[in-house]
Amino acid sequence: DIVLTQSPATLSLSPGERATLSCRASQSVSSYLAWYQQKPGQAPRLLIYDASNGATGIPARFSGSGSGTDFTLTISSLEPEDSAVYYCQQRSNWPLTFGGGTKVEIK
Amino acid sequence: QVQLVQSGAEVKKPGASVKVSCKASGYTFTDYYMHWVRQAPGQGLEWMGWINPNSGGTNYAQKFKGRVTMTRDTSISTAYMELSRLRFDDTAVYYCAKSIVGASNWFDPWGQGTLVTVSS
Repeated sequence: DIVLTQSPATLSLSPGERATLSCRASQSVSSYLAWYQQKPGQAPRLLIYDASNGATGIPARFSGSGSGTDFTLTISSLEPEDSAVYYCQQRSNWPLTFGGGTKVEIK
Repeated sequence: QVQLVQSGAEVKKPGASVKVSCKASGYTFTDYYMHWVRQAPGQGLEWMGWINPNSGGTNYAQKFKGRVTMTRDTSISTAYMELSRLRFDDTAVYYCAKSIVGASNWFDPWGQGTLVTVSS
């Protein structure tokens, strides 16, 4: 199985700051990587797919980059509502797998 | 709008089975794969498998093969996930999630989740 390792585990930043989240794959997944946001008590929501394509209705401050084994989710200017856990997911190989998540806290 | 509405919480004993439903609306049910993903309390996300609502074909994660069965009823646009021989560590929130495009393996939207508690 492809293992996705996310870092850092927790990120604590102030509103307006830039957040950079990392996802590293145990082998190449090409560009077959997505990012999801999950707020407490809610289902996940798709933010980015195919590494850099924004999902429908996602604010422009969310962007994704990377290919192969190293990927980044960037939130350009944090809003209070961005407090959540962010997961990456690959679809290059079966089974589909998720990273362990990065918790973003807003100070 | 596209919506997935799941059945309510369940409490089961070890060894029993549970069947969770996921009713779709706002799109053509047979045009998009439906996936099932679970999340143990305080833990991450785990993909269980998908069903092609058009053909009924399925693809299960190896971990769940032999214990999971995914079915659908196209007449009522509903997908089902049945997990048998339940264990304590099957306690989790179970989500259905629609593929964003046909057979793609990106998920959006998700259902609200169904908590399954396995307890003696």
